[in-house]
Amino acid sequence: DAGVTQSPTHLIKTRGQQVTLRCSPKSGHDTVSWYQQALGQGPQFIFQYYEEEERQRGNFPDRFSGHQFPNYSSELNVNALLLGDSALYLCASSFSGEGYNEQFFGPGTRLTVL
Amino acid sequence: RKEVEQDPGPFNVPEGATVAFNCTYSNSASQSFFWYRQDCRKEPKLLMSVYSSGNEDGRFTAQLNRASQYISLLIRDSKLSDSATYLCVVNPIGQNFVFGPGTRLSVLP
Repeated sequence: DAGVTQSPTHLIKTRGQQVTLRCSPKSGHDTVSWYQQALGQGPQFIFQYYEEEERQRGNFPDRFSGHQFPNYSSELNVNALLLGDSALYLCASSFSGEGYNEQFFGPGTRLTVL
Repeated sequence: RKEVEQDPGPFNVPEGATVAFNCTYSNSASQSFFWYRQDCRKEPKLLMSVYSSGNEDGRFTAQLNRASQYISLLIRDSKLSDSATYLCVVNPIGQNFVFGPGTRLSVLP
């Protein structure tokens, strides 16, 4: 039973560029949440996708967008990269059924913006 | 005030010690609570959910006090492998997970 997978593992970009990160949820999960974790801080919620739609959104600008596919996998897109976007980007999956809200995290994508 | 606050740490304890982590949250509408552990440069991993009646899993005990908006995690008989950052997580109604900043634990031989 595969857990949550993310790609790529590491990424280096320059300011102004665009990046796409990918996530495949744990088998049986239908909901994907994305988080940004800066060094020394706890993860910050970006947004959550369910049934191919953005269901919740944290306090992140429109430069951050996403998508969920029919197979429940998801993408996170960041446009016009800033130095401050350098962070570990974590994807978490969960099941939408009542009482099942525990989230399981993938290994993350470490993004460096130069 | 931050939504979720934790002991600033780091905690440096000898093997076999008992250590307690505290967490407070500001949103009284929070409905679910968790402790995650995160090893250096790795993803957070679910340690345990926190139930209203308190719950125990081996050497780990979690307590919830809704009136005081306070959560705790107790680790007994600390092992070297317990060294990690412990993240308190709160799930307010209608919102997604809100993480605390984490408390780093180092268990020393």
